[in-house]
Amino acid sequence: DGGITQSPKYLFRKEGQNVTLSCEQNLNHDAMYWYRQDPGQGLRLIYYSQIVNDFQKGDIAEGYSVSREKKESFPLTVTSAQKNPTAFYLCASSLLAGGETDTQYFGPGTRLTVL
Amino acid sequence: AQSVTQLDSQVPVFEEAPVELRCNYSSSVSVYLFWYVQYPNQGLQLLLKYLSGSTLVESINGFEAEFNKSQTSFHLRKPSVHISDTAEYFCAVNGGSQGNLIFGKGTKLSVKP
Repeated sequence: DGGITQSPKYLFRKEGQNVTLSCEQNLNHDAMYWYRQDPGQGLRLIYYSQIVNDFQKGDIAEGYSVSREKKESFPLTVTSAQKNPTAFYLCASSLLAGGETDTQYFGPGTRLTVL
Repeated sequence: AQSVTQLDSQVPVFEEAPVELRCNYSSSVSVYLFWYVQYPNQGLQLLLKYLSGSTLVESINGFEAEFNKSQTSFHLRKPSVHISDTAEYFCAVNGGSQGNLIFGKGTKLSVKP
């Protein structure tokens, strides 16, 4: 089955720790995205990547970092600099870089809780 | 910059009643509009999208949305809802050449028996 997988489904972090959220897609999509979802806030863009070895900051990139070493993988690291990291994190991909009409396909999400 | 406003955060309805979820967007030259649905603790799934052509777009499960340029709206409707339609619905607009989407804050549809 083609799709996007995210792991883990639930993640608990102590304050001051960095954690990495995994996102893998086997759709052969060029573009990948990370969104953060908070209750009543919709989805906000953290980072996006249109091609391997290149990525751009979104609206709320502070305290996060990403890498895109392989086309199918786009991991997100939540660093200790992120002041309020507890949220639901969604990874998405779309077929073409910069494709404004493309459908974005979403993974099942990772719920991060800071203890 | 593009923006999306979903006017209702929660919409409770009874089963088999009609429903309309409202969405307004900021006007721009090229607008592509999307409705996504999210079931509890899951990712988002595309419901329908408007790119061009007919202003009325339909999904396979009975939802439809109408693109209204003069009112900058893209409201989602269903003539008769089911319990299984209970979910959160997000309206989104294209964010520009980077290909990202700009989302509204979501509307929680609660269908009661």
